[in-house]
Amino acid sequence: EVQLVQSGAEVTKPGESLKISCTGSGYSFASYWIVWVRQLPDKGLEWMGFIYPGNSDTTYNPSFQGQVTISADKSINTAYLQWSSLKASDSAIYYCARLWGGAFSWSDFWGQGTLLTVSS
Amino acid sequence: QSVLTQPPSVSGAPGQRITISCTGSSSNIGAGYDVHWYQQFPGTAPKLLIYGNDNRPSGVPDRFSGSKSGTSASLAITGLQAEDEADYYCQSYDSSLSGWVFGGGTKLTVL
Repeated sequence: EVQLVQSGAEVTKPGESLKISCTGSGYSFASYWIVWVRQLPDKGLEWMGFIYPGNSDTTYNPSFQGQVTISADKSINTAYLQWSSLKASDSAIYYCARLWGGAFSWSDFWGQGTLLTVSS
Repeated sequence: QSVLTQPPSVSGAPGQRITISCTGSSSNIGAGYDVHWYQQFPGTAPKLLIYGNDNRPSGVPDRFSGSKSGTSASLAITGLQAEDEADYYCQSYDSSLSGWVFGGGTKLTVL
């Protein structure tokens, strides 16, 4: 059974750094692209970027380039999303999902989401 | 402002048919890229509903269907049921962004 399990909810302060994770199982993790999607409170879905765990090839949404870092460790079937200096406006739910094919395709399996709260 | 435009809300009575539109441009839907649809219930992750414009994953009832024409796509739900009350998002690829674009989401209310 394909599963993506994300790390738990986080409460942090502005200016702090953070790394959240997404661990895949039930399939060849290195062979499928992973996408990160942000959902602001009571808002829609926003594409943040893709990563191919097999070679760590990464594509960022220009709106998020330089604001976050997407990485992966295929040896432990895990993708990461990290911030070096969080802002209150980063408070959101972050989802990882598997792409069925390449960037032109869709996500067939999603993680449960990680709720991030940034507040002083 | 989302790149793909969806109506913020639609509603219908049980048993009725509703449609949700998704309008894009020449750099995404109009360029020939496929449209995919997701269903999201409050407090849960999105779930794939339609892929490749008009294909249903295993387990999705045939009450749900998708279509695409020109720079737009549509999701249709027939025989509306109370359990269909959710948010629906369209998604496609955009060549100017070199990545995904989503619609703003449509909240379906079953009256």
